[in-house]
Amino acid sequence: AIRMTQSPSSISASTGDRVTITCRASQHISNYVAWYQQKPGKAPQLLIYAAYILQSGVPSRFSGSGSGTDFTLTISSLQSEDFAIYFCQQYYTYPWTFGQGTEVEIK
Amino acid sequence: EVQLVESGGGLVQPGGSLRLSCAASGFTFSTYWMTWVRQSPGKGLEWVANIKQDGSEKNYVDSVKGRFTISRDDAKNSLYLQMNSLRAEDTALYYCARCSGSGSTFDYWGQGTLVTVSS
Repeated sequence: AIRMTQSPSSISASTGDRVTITCRASQHISNYVAWYQQKPGKAPQLLIYAAYILQSGVPSRFSGSGSGTDFTLTISSLQSEDFAIYFCQQYYTYPWTFGQGTEVEIK
Repeated sequence: EVQLVESGGGLVQPGGSLRLSCAASGFTFSTYWMTWVRQSPGKGLEWVANIKQDGSEKNYVDSVKGRFTISRDDAKNSLYLQMNSLRAEDTALYYCARCSGSGSTFDYWGQGTLVTVSS
């Protein structure tokens, strides 16, 4: 199975900060990457698919990039509602796999 | 409004069985791939299985192959997961999710149903 490794595992940031989360795949996966946000006690929500395409309704401060094995999720200006855990997911080949998550905490 | 409501979770002994259900509404269920994703307490996400619109294709993560069966009833707008030979490591919150147009990402999720495997 393809392993998705996220870094960092957690990050402390303040409102207004620019935050970047990295996801590295154990093999080439083209651009078949999605990003999800999960808040405590809630189900994950799709933010980005195909590495960079914003899901409908997602604020434009979220952006994604990358191709091949290295991908990033960027929040350009962190808002209070963005404190959550973020997961990447590859859907290049079965079994689809997720990264272990990155928790964005209030500094 | 798209809604997915899971049910059927609970406490079961190792080796036991459970059948999870997911009631869908607010969209044309029969036209979407559907999937199950699980999340162990305090852990990350694991994709479990998915099923094509007409049920003709099903895929599973290796750890559940031969033990879990995904199915759907389009007349009832329902998705199911039959879980047999349950193990302690199957303990998790099980989410039902709708697959997006590409069939490979998950654009709507239920709130989950908790499965606990313990003696």
